[in-house]
Amino acid sequence: GAVVSQHPSRVICKSGTSVKIECRSLDFQATTMFWYRQFPKQSLMLMATSNEGSKATYEQGVEKDKFLINHASLTLSTLTVTSAHPEDSSFYICSARDDREYGYTFGSGTRLTVV
Amino acid sequence: AQSVTQLDSHVSVSEGTPVLLRCNYSSSYSPSLFWYVQHPNKGLQLLLKYTSAATLVKGINGFEAEFKKSETSFHLTKPSAHMSDAAEYFCVVRPSGYSTLTFGKGTMLLVSP
Repeated sequence: GAVVSQHPSRVICKSGTSVKIECRSLDFQATTMFWYRQFPKQSLMLMATSNEGSKATYEQGVEKDKFLINHASLTLSTLTVTSAHPEDSSFYICSARDDREYGYTFGSGTRLTVV
Repeated sequence: AQSVTQLDSHVSVSEGTPVLLRCNYSSSYSPSLFWYVQHPNKGLQLLLKYTSAATLVKGINGFEAEFKKSETSFHLTKPSAHMSDAAEYFCVVRPSGYSTLTFGKGTMLLVSP
């Protein structure tokens, strides 16, 4: 079945530094990928839709300069949290849409802690 | 506009008893509907999906859901709960022609011995 690899699974960084999270579709092409944020005991909040070869579409209220998204190939999207602050600490999850069957596969998530 | 309402934030069952997780949706267009399961600090795993074929959808691990258009519901059921079923469950809607998903707030399933 379709597999999405997300790395790292956990990261701790200092305030002011940047962190990059990778989302890779291993056995299918994904023109479209999605980035979500999940707060403790809450649902997933869509941050942005990432389209291969074009700019990401950000949801209202999401700072595009803080959360940089790059989708340079059909199998890889990256989310960079720039100048991270403690309030950016959260669980980030990516999802890739399989171009063949319009299915959605999720990565295993990244727990970001900013200290 | 589309929305998803999961009617229970928590459901507690005993092992071996039936599971019912309720979901109602609203969507302007013929939707696709999904149920995902999330174990702690993990990503989401697809249990099943409805995409306008059979209204009774069978998924993995013995779960199934029935799409009822007249009731705008897509409840998830399982005849007999296992301890390993304890997790968070999300009902998700995607309107026809759209690529983004709308998530319910989730239902935590607790299974006691």
